[in-house]
Amino acid sequence: SAVISQKPSRDICQRGTSLTIQCQVDSQVTMMFWYRQQPGQSLTLIATANQGSEATYESGFVIDKFPISRPNLTFSTLTVSNMSPEDSSIYLCSGSTGETGELFFGEGSRLTVL
Amino acid sequence: KQEVTQIPAALSVPEGENLVLNCSFTDSAIYNLQWFRQDPGKGLTSLLLIQSSQREQTSGRLNASLDKSSGRSTLYIAASQPGDSATYLCAVLTTDSWGKFQFGAGTQVVVTP
Repeated sequence: SAVISQKPSRDICQRGTSLTIQCQVDSQVTMMFWYRQQPGQSLTLIATANQGSEATYESGFVIDKFPISRPNLTFSTLTVSNMSPEDSSIYLCSGSTGETGELFFGEGSRLTVL
Repeated sequence: KQEVTQIPAALSVPEGENLVLNCSFTDSAIYNLQWFRQDPGKGLTSLLLIQSSQREQTSGRLNASLDKSSGRSTLYIAASQPGDSATYLCAVLTTDSWGKFQFGAGTQVVVTP
């Protein structure tokens, strides 16, 4: 299994600012993903983080708002840009390994935008 | 597009009773199905992974079954405890989804002492 560490675990931010969330995996994963979970909702996939190239975004999410980097197999960052209160959510990093495709999650980053 | 549904949305049982959580999916061409537990404000913890070729998986008090033909999976938790109170989510990986899981909305479980 993979252990995934995220930081910050929580933050309170002002409208119009940006926040970068870091995700570190303890072993090499084949794929890394970023999810958003709005209050009381299930998970929504933001994008697939691709090593050394641009992330693949899902419908409704754009690079200018959620720039993502993945410089190597075990590290990725998600930036939430020009934040508004609607961006208040839990942001979750995940990775899948090997042939089984089993998915593992970090503890999440709870973001509150005032 | 794969759609995943979990019923009921919420469930409350007295301690000691067995829990039965349901997950249904519309596209039977799945690679695997995974059950997760989420505590409030936290990330997801993987409970069980069932490969498409398997019928069930067991871990301690947990047992998950998979019936691809009917598009269903069931998570059984035996002899529930207050510590089992959490939200349980199922997620399905379809064969043509490029590694992207589709999540259900979850079942919120409360086990009362």
